[in-house]
Amino acid sequence: AQSVTQLGSHVSVSEGALVLLRCNYSSSVPPYLFWYVQYPNQGLQLLLKYTTGATLVKGINGFEAEFKKSETSFHLTKPSAHMSDAAEYFCAVSDKDSGGYQKVTFGTGTKLQVIP
Amino acid sequence: EPEVTQTPSHQVTQMGQEVILRCVPISNHLYFYWYRQILGQKVEFLVSFYNNEISEKSEIFDDQFSVERPDGSNFTLKIRSTKLEDSAMYFCASSDIEDHSGANVLTFGAGSRLTVL
Repeated sequence: AQSVTQLGSHVSVSEGALVLLRCNYSSSVPPYLFWYVQYPNQGLQLLLKYTTGATLVKGINGFEAEFKKSETSFHLTKPSAHMSDAAEYFCAVSDKDSGGYQKVTFGTGTKLQVIP
Repeated sequence: EPEVTQTPSHQVTQMGQEVILRCVPISNHLYFYWYRQILGQKVEFLVSFYNNEISEKSEIFDDQFSVERPDGSNFTLKIRSTKLEDSAMYFCASSDIEDHSGANVLTFGAGSRLTVL
């Protein structure tokens, strides 16, 4: 089974500073990788996804992530943090279930705090 | 933008009671899922559903749990006899057929918070 590991359950950055949320995956086949965001009292919203092609993928709200196969990483970045970015971020990997259909496995999440 | 709708948003129940959580997936989606998130913990897969049958279920999804798509629009999760440890946020998700890259992208609902006393 595939899995993802998120380093750091809590990350604090100053408003305007670089955001870097780390994610490493384990996979025996080329993975599909995702970042989801969960704002307080809300559901999970897709930020971006990597499937094939360009390894640098851009998502909503100025976030981007780079798939690095050699490092088995898919770190999430944003050049300048906004207060509205405060949320919990989940890295996820997609693999086939026993029925041949894809299911998503989530990391443990990283809570991002943005300090004014 | 199409969305997945879940009801109720919050339910409080006594241990041993039956609970049904309801979900209305996006209308043209074919794959349906339930996940749960115990407070402070990771989001965990419970079950996937396709073509009116369970595709896969996790170890969490024991005999106390069941899913149903009773009328072609709703997708329900039933817990027959709730336990304290069932207290969690339950997320429904749905997805379309795989896109051109072969990936399913799940759209999640806002969740139903279940509190078992």
